Amino acid sequence: SQQGEEDPQALSIQEGENATMNCSYKTSINNLQWYRQNSGRGLVHLILIRSNEREKHSGRLRVTLDTSKKSSSLLITASRAADTASYFCATDPISNDYKLSFGAGTTVTVRA
Amino acid sequence: DADVTQTPRNRITKTGKRIMLECSQTKGHDRMYWYRQDPGLGLRLIYYSFDVKDINKGEISDGYSVSRQAQAKFSLSLESAIPNQTALYFCAIGRTDTQYFGPGTRLTVL
Repeated sequence: SQQGEEDPQALSIQEGENATMNCSYKTSINNLQWYRQNSGRGLVHLILIRSNEREKHSGRLRVTLDTSKKSSSLLITASRAADTASYFCATDPISNDYKLSFGAGTTVTVRA
Repeated sequence: DADVTQTPRNRITKTGKRIMLECSQTKGHDRMYWYRQDPGLGLRLIYYSFDVKDINKGEISDGYSVSRQAQAKFSLSLESAIPNQTALYFCAIGRTDTQYFGPGTRLTVL
C-alpha cells in the first residue's frame, strides 16, 4: 500500500512563480525523498531529508519535514518551463529494508 | 552510457503470452528493484533483490517472477500476460538510501 499521499494532485503556475506541494505519510520513517518524473520517463532523485532534519535546500528546491505531523513539503522557487513534471514523495519506513513507498504524485505545469 | 538500461523500451503482446523485461546496470549497486506505474497510482513494488541469492516479493508480485542472473542483471517475467498488466515498468538500483531508475518499459497487453 502507498505510504505517501501528495497534495495537490495537479498544479499549474506561471513561469517565475513558486510551486509548493505537500506529502503526508502514515508510519515512522528513516528518511523522505522527492523524485521528479518527466513525461513517461524514469524518476530522478531530487533531494533526501532524514527524520532528524527539519529543512533542507538544494538549488531552487526547499524541503521541510515535520515528523510530528508526518508531513513534508517541497517548494520550487522561481519556476521554469523545464520544471514541468510529476513530483513524487517516497518514504523509507523504519525497518522496511530499503524499500521505498511512493505516493501518487503531483503533476506540475509551468506556463510560459 | 546510462547507469540503468531496460529492454525493450516498448512492447505490445497478446493475452497469454510469456514476456521478459530485462534490466542491467553499470554502477555495481547490490540492490535492484522492479516497479510498475499505473496512472494515478504512483509506483508499486513488484520484486526486489539485495544480491544474486536474495529475491523478495513486493506488494504486487502475483503474476510476475524475477531472476537475478548476475549482480548487474535483474529480469522480470510475466508467465502468462493479462490486459491488467498493461503498465509502465521501471527497474531501479540502490546502494545507500536513494534509488536510480531506468528509462522504463511501456508494456501493452491486448
